[in-house]
Amino acid sequence: GAGVSQSPSNKVTEKGKDVELRCDPISGHTALYWYRQRLGQGLEFLIYFQGNSAPDKSGLPSDRFSAERTGESVSTLTIQRTQQEDSAVYLCASSVGHGNTIYFGEGSWLTVV
Amino acid sequence: GIQVEQSPPDLILQEGANSTLRCNFSDSVNNLQWFHQNPWGQLINLFYIPSGTKQNGRLSATTVATERYSLLYISSSQTTDSGVYFCAVMGNNDMRFGAGTRLTVKP
Repeated sequence: GAGVSQSPSNKVTEKGKDVELRCDPISGHTALYWYRQRLGQGLEFLIYFQGNSAPDKSGLPSDRFSAERTGESVSTLTIQRTQQEDSAVYLCASSVGHGNTIYFGEGSWLTVV
Repeated sequence: GIQVEQSPPDLILQEGANSTLRCNFSDSVNNLQWFHQNPWGQLINLFYIPSGTKQNGRLSATTVATERYSLLYISSSQTTDSGVYFCAVMGNNDMRFGAGTRLTVKP
């Protein structure tokens, strides 16, 4: 596609439910990043995928968070047993390769009530 | 991991004024990028600038990698420049972001 696409754009869920967030990177981009941004704050790194290499999961805040990527295409970020503190915008970005210009999607706004 | 510090945290300008935003980082980096996050949350890449100087219209950026800092210059600011400016650096793997500079340009 023309840009990084994320879905859903908005999600309201009840505390304790699981949610899945999806990211479609720009076609041909081998690197994919997930970030979390709480209201009024900076970007918190979650996970990084590069091609078929093992992902860098060092930023995942707890074992309730996991992410997968199929080859060099779609990625899903899963949050299990959501908590109110998980409320944030989840941003996905991709780049043509490691160390290149990165492009962001518009984010998935998650609200846990 | 690499630490990224941005200053000032907040900046208020009158339309037409110039400004300089600073990004300091704690270690050698493979690249550095500047982003603008508009009031609707969209992040736009402004510069990919691991070293040297680049210009794009009223914006320019300089990175001095050996001294571990980068500067973003905004000249003749406009109200549409308002938002948060982030610096991001890449070490071995991921891109790490600073806390941002929140810019408000008043008409």
